[in-house]
Amino acid sequence: AIRMTQSPSSFSASPGDRVTITCRASQGITNYVAWYQQKPGKAPKFLIYGAATLQSGVPSRFSGSGSGTDFTLTISRLQSEDFATYYCQQYYSYPPTFGPGTKVEIK
Amino acid sequence: EVQLLESGGGLVQPEGSLRLSCAASGFVFSTFAMGWVRQAPGKGLDWVSTISGTADTTYYADFVMGRFTISRDNIKNTLHLEMSSLRAEDTAIYYCAKFVYAGDNFGHDAFDIWGLGTMVSVSS
Repeated sequence: AIRMTQSPSSFSASPGDRVTITCRASQGITNYVAWYQQKPGKAPKFLIYGAATLQSGVPSRFSGSGSGTDFTLTISRLQSEDFATYYCQQYYSYPPTFGPGTKVEIK
Repeated sequence: EVQLLESGGGLVQPEGSLRLSCAASGFVFSTFAMGWVRQAPGKGLDWVSTISGTADTTYYADFVMGRFTISRDNIKNTLHLEMSSLRAEDTAIYYCAKFVYAGDNFGHDAFDIWGLGTMVSVSS
């Protein structure tokens, strides 16, 4: 199975900050990466697929990039509603696998 | 509006069985592959199983192979997960999820719609 890692595992940031989360795959997965946001007690919310395509309705302050093994999720100006845990997922091959998550907390 | 609503979770003893259901609405259910993803308390997301739109193809995570069975009823727009020989480590919230694209290319597809989840607790 392809292993997904994320860094950092958690960090604190302030509203208005630009933040970047990194996701790395254990082998090349072209651009078959999705990003999800999850808030406590809620289901994951689909943000980005194809590494860089924003799902309809997701604010444009979110962006994704990368290909091969290294991917990033960037939030250009952090809003209060963005404090959550973010997961990357590869769907290049079965089994689909998720990263361990990155928790973004309020500083 | 596209919606998924899981049911059937609860407390079950080790080695017991449980059947989860997921009622789908707002899209042509039979044209989309569907999946189950679980999340143990305080942990990350783990894919469990996938079924094609026509139900002729299924995939399972190694940790549930031979114990869980995924199925679907395209008349009733319902997805199921039959779980048996349950273990403490199966304790989790179970989410049903819809793939982004219709058709059979779910091998290269992400989950765009998730249900609210149903909690399964395995304990004596």
